[in-house]
Amino acid sequence: KAGVTQTPRYLIKTRGQQVTLSCSPISGHRSVSWYQQTPGQGLQFLFEYFSETQRNKGNFPGRFSGRQFSNSRSEMNVSTLELGDSALYLCASSLAPAGAYNEQFFGPGTRLTVL
Amino acid sequence: GENVEQHPSTLSVQEGDSAVIKCTYSDSASNYFPWYKQELGKRPQLIIDIRSNVGEKKDQRIAVTLNKTAKHFSLHITETQPEDSAVYFCAASKGNTPLVFGKGTRLSVIA
Repeated sequence: KAGVTQTPRYLIKTRGQQVTLSCSPISGHRSVSWYQQTPGQGLQFLFEYFSETQRNKGNFPGRFSGRQFSNSRSEMNVSTLELGDSALYLCASSLAPAGAYNEQFFGPGTRLTVL
Repeated sequence: GENVEQHPSTLSVQEGDSAVIKCTYSDSASNYFPWYKQELGKRPQLIIDIRSNVGEKKDQRIAVTLNKTAKHFSLHITETQPEDSAVYFCAASKGNTPLVFGKGTRLSVIA
């Protein structure tokens, strides 16, 4: 099976712009979670989608949003970018909802740099 | 909500020695504890996990122990090798809640 893929892999934006990141889960996986990874902060949970519904949301401002399509592909959007949004954004997919003993498979990430 | 503390943040060991990484969690209802390894420039990958009804689990050179009373769990790597060098993340979850990760431990194995 093909692994989790994310596009684009690298992105450079300027403050105030918006950005859309895409994640394609492993075939058959219906859950997609998004994480922000920054040095020293580990992986911070953004949100999780399962069967096109947002199941959980982390403690991030409303500028961060996401959605999931009927084919389980997911997108996350960040509006009005700030310098502090520079990070590696990882998505992870699993067969069932995240946390229910289901292994999460991570994508390679999208490295976002905000100038 | 759940909070996971991970120590140490960096760890250097000689090749062949053992490495131990410790995590504590705050929510006594958490019942699933996976460990992920992230090599430089690569994606995190699950290396071992443990559920609350088990006290210890081993997989070759890797073992995880869980103390529910004290709310802490540890990763043990024996006979470390250079390819064990990576960042290791612990996480905790209960039922249908998302994983909460620790901040990671950068392990360096010195040949």
